[in-house]
Amino acid sequence: AQKVTQAQTEISVVEKEDVTLDCVYETRDTTYYLFWYKQPPSGELVFLIRRNSFDEQNEISGRYSWNFQKSTSSFNFTITASQVVDSAVYFCALRDTGRRALTFGSGTRLQVQP
Amino acid sequence: DVKVTQSSRYLVKRTGEKVFLECVQDMDHENMFWYRQDPGLGLRLIYFSYDVKMKEKGDIPEGYSVSREKKERFSLILESASTNQTSMYLCASHTRWTEAFFGQGTRLTVV
Repeated sequence: AQKVTQAQTEISVVEKEDVTLDCVYETRDTTYYLFWYKQPPSGELVFLIRRNSFDEQNEISGRYSWNFQKSTSSFNFTITASQVVDSAVYFCALRDTGRRALTFGSGTRLQVQP
Repeated sequence: DVKVTQSSRYLVKRTGEKVFLECVQDMDHENMFWYRQDPGLGLRLIYFSYDVKMKEKGDIPEGYSVSREKKERFSLILESASTNQTSMYLCASHTRWTEAFFGQGTRLTVV
């Protein structure tokens, strides 16, 4: 069975601070994909990144970076120099060969204070 | 620009009513999904469809049904709405290994 755990329910930071959102996953498959989504107050989920299980390279995109470590089954997301516009709920998700749908974590609400 | 469109942003329905939530995608995706989002629970899968007229139960199908008569359209049906179905409903579509694209969500209140 698949499972995604986001232990941080809510994080509050001040603008320009760096913040890391944790994601731990469980799957028995060797082939799987991991995703991060952002849900701003408007409600629509916005895709941020996809990573497959064979690619452990870390990724940086502007102020965003992702650290994928198979050894600890983690796929953490860091925002550098946070901004108020980063305030949202962030979801980590998993898809493996045993299930067509995404399995989501419970989400982390990030509040960036000015 | 790819698009998943849900028919309503907000709905208020009475207990016992039959409720239809519509979702349309323009990306020719074979897979379509209905999720329900509740605080602290993340998104939970209600039903999904991998082809026209095909459907499979997700994790919480009780009280819901679905219909997929055309590839681009996937409907969620609440046969007899109850107050515990008050929630945010999100539709998504994707091909086998791509990311999922989501609609804007329908916030349903059952009174």
